[in-house]
Order: sequence, then C-alpha cells, then structure tokens
Amino acid sequence: KAGVTQTPRYLIKTRGQQVTLSCSPISGHRSVSWYQQTPGQGLQFLFEYFSETQRNKGNFPGRFSGRQFSNSRSEMNVSTLELGDSALYLCASSLTGENTEAFFGQGTRLTVV
Amino acid sequence: AQKITQTQPGMFVQEKEAVTLDCTYDTSDPSYGLFWYKQPSSGEMIFLIYQGSYDQQNATEGRYSLNFQKARKSANLVISASQLGDSAMYFCAMREGRFTDKLIFGTGTRLQVFP
Repeated sequence: KAGVTQTPRYLIKTRGQQVTLSCSPISGHRSVSWYQQTPGQGLQFLFEYFSETQRNKGNFPGRFSGRQFSNSRSEMNVSTLELGDSALYLCASSLTGENTEAFFGQGTRLTVV
Repeated sequence: AQKITQTQPGMFVQEKEAVTLDCTYDTSDPSYGLFWYKQPSSGEMIFLIYQGSYDQQNATEGRYSLNFQKARKSANLVISASQLGDSAMYFCAMREGRFTDKLIFGTGTRLQVFP
C-alpha cells in the first residue's frame, strides 16, 4: 500500500513568486491536512480538507490557500512568496473519524530567496 | 495556553536502555486522540503510536508504548531497548474532538542514543 506522496521534495523560489505543492493521500483516505514547520514556530496547522471541503483553517494569511480534488489529492498554493515562507511543508492523510491514525508524507522543503 | 507540552528539549540514552519522553496535554473535549511521531534529519514525520481517549489499555507498537494517564493528562512515550537509529526528534500531538483531523503539536524532544 503506497504511503502519502508529496511533490516536489525540494523547491527554490524567488520572493514575490507563487508556488503550488501537491499531496496524494493513502488510498481510501479522504482527509488531508497541511502543516508548516519552521525552526522558530515549530509545526503549525495550515488547513484541513475532507471530501473536497475545507473543514478547518489555521491562522495564516490569505496568501496561503488549498483545495482538494474528488480523488482526495490536495494542493496548497502560496502566492506572493516572502522569505519567511521558507519552511518544510508537511501533508498528512487520515481515514477520518475517531480512533484513526494520521500518516505524513516526506514533506516539501521550500526555500524562498 | 499550550495544549501539548513537551518539557524535555533533549534526552540522551545509552543503546539497549529504555527511555521515557514526556508529554502532557490540555483539553476539555472528552473525545481526543494522542499521537507520537519520529522525525529524523531527513524531515519525514514517521507515525509511531496512537492512543484514543476512550481506550482502556495503553497502546503498544513493537518497542514503543504509550503510558496514558488520563487523570494527569499525560501521554508519555516509552522506547524500550533503544537503538542508534532511534536518534531523532520526537513529537507528541493531539487531535481534539470528533470531527477534525487537525493535529496540535508539541515543541518536540531531541533524542540521542549513544553506544
């Protein structure tokens, strides 16, 4: 059974550009969550999708957006990149509901220069 | 207020010894889940163990066990027979409520296993 797949693994972008990250959850999982990890702020929740609907959103500016497709794959987009957006972006997938485990992908390491 | 607290920034343990990583949590929701993840330097977040708030018994997964003390709101991870490959960051996380998969993470504990 394939795990959670995130692409690309590494990305270098220039300030002001936009970026799209992709996450393919484990087959059968309908819930996808995104997290930002930085040395200063730790792991912070970005948003959560279930059945193509955003169920929860973290405290991030509107430059951060996401969506989920009918096959449960999810994308997140960051527009007008800032240096502070440099981080490891992690995606997790779950079956959803009580007593369900959450599995993460390998992450996308974004560097903004 | 911190919902997940990991008070040990770093821990050292000798190979083959057991080690306990501390985690306390705070929630008023009766339904929650507690997770432990391992993050090696490569960055991948590896799922280790899960404990549901209604589970009567402590969770175990191979060398990992979760010491769940509900009244004290603690969910400590016990790693038995430590191996050099266990050196990594360890994160405790909580899912709060029934209709979300959002995880709240602690600040992590860096575990170093020495020969």
